[in-house]
Amino acid sequence: AQSVSQHNHHVILSEAASLELGCNYSYGGTVNLFWYVQYPGQHLQLLLKYFSGDPLVKGIKGFEAEFIKSKFSFNLRKPSVQWSDTAEYFCAVNGGSGTYKYIFGTGTRLKVLA
Amino acid sequence: GAGVSQSPRYKVAKRGQDVALRCDPISGHVSLFWYQQALGQGPEFLTYFQNEAQLDKSGLPSDRFFAERPEGSVSTLKIQRTQQEDSAVYLCASSLEDREGQPQHFGDGTRLSIL
Repeated sequence: AQSVSQHNHHVILSEAASLELGCNYSYGGTVNLFWYVQYPGQHLQLLLKYFSGDPLVKGIKGFEAEFIKSKFSFNLRKPSVQWSDTAEYFCAVNGGSGTYKYIFGTGTRLKVLA
Repeated sequence: GAGVSQSPRYKVAKRGQDVALRCDPISGHVSLFWYQQALGQGPEFLTYFQNEAQLDKSGLPSDRFFAERPEGSVSTLKIQRTQQEDSAVYLCASSLEDREGQPQHFGDGTRLSIL
């Protein structure tokens, strides 16, 4: 069965620090990969997605992620975080055999100190 | 608004009661998904509809859980004889097309508390 691991459950950074959140998945076939963000009191919003082409994907608000097939990874990065990036971040995977459902990681709660 | 709408936002029920949670997807979206999110966890898949057809219900935890989308738009998730372990946030999502890689658009969720 597919699974998604997010290694960091809680991350605390100061403003302007660089961010990298890890995401690894278990499925060996063709996958589609997503990062979602949930700001306090809001719904899940799509940050970026990968399903083919350039493995370096750029999303909204200065976020990017790199798909490394050999490592089964899709890490999220941002060079300089802001206080407004405080949120919970979820990695999700779908793919294989017409499976449209997402498999989510457990999430990473990011707190950015002003 | 143009987003996915869920109601109620909060629901408190006594153990053993039946509850019904509603999802209004984005107009024209073919696919509709229900997820369950326990405290401190990521969302877990419950069931999926393509228009009115329920194509995957493999994530429903027991036969107490039932979902429908009779006209291919609004969906209802019903939980019968609720148990304390049913306490969670129930998320609904919709996507425009029925293919892999389609982004899903999420509602605010219904927070269900079973006393």
